[in-house]
Amino acid sequence: SQTIHQWPATLVQPVGSPLSLECTVEGTSNPNLYWYRQAAGRGLQLLFYSVGIGQISSEVPQNLSASRPQDRQFILSSKKLLLSDSGFYLCAWSVPPRRETQYFGPGTRLLVL
Amino acid sequence: AQTVTQSQPEMSVQEAETVTLSCTYDTSENNYYLFWYKQPPSRQMILVIRQEAYKQQNATENRFSVNFQKAAKSFSLKISDSQLGDTAMYFCAFIPSNSGYALNFGKGTSLLVTP
Repeated sequence: SQTIHQWPATLVQPVGSPLSLECTVEGTSNPNLYWYRQAAGRGLQLLFYSVGIGQISSEVPQNLSASRPQDRQFILSSKKLLLSDSGFYLCAWSVPPRRETQYFGPGTRLLVL
Repeated sequence: AQTVTQSQPEMSVQEAETVTLSCTYDTSENNYYLFWYKQPPSRQMILVIRQEAYKQQNATENRFSVNFQKAAKSFSLKISDSQLGDTAMYFCAFIPSNSGYALNFGKGTSLLVTP
């Protein structure tokens, strides 16, 4: 069966510091991978998605970037965090042809101070 | 643009009772998928049920079922025999079949199951 891991689970960072969040998927090959952010009391917003190694699409202009160095690894990064980057970050995967059915990881709580 | 509306910010139900959560959506697409996700206090987003718009039959998963009314663009979730573990935020989500990769989420309904 497939499992998805995210780390760290919680992160507190000062404004202006760099960020690296990691997501890995096990038990499947060639997944589509996604980064979503959930602001307090709201639904999720897609930030980035990837359909293959090195292929990244951005949905919303951000202070953030994403990379996919391996088939089942997806990384969310920032060079300088802003206060507005605080939130809950969820990684998700789906497998074509059922790309629409997305399964989420446990998430990372990010607090920027 | 697609929008998903959940008009009930909070709901409460007693254990073993049945509760229905509402969701409406707006789209010009003809083919799409609808989902209900559950987010318990741990905040992991868990897929509850999935509905394909071209299927008239309502999806069911154990105690969870949907009432999908395509013409009315309505997609409600019924939870039967509610359990304490059903306490969570419930999000309705939409994605078109042939364009885009983003799930469009509603703002959620907070469900509290009481003993």
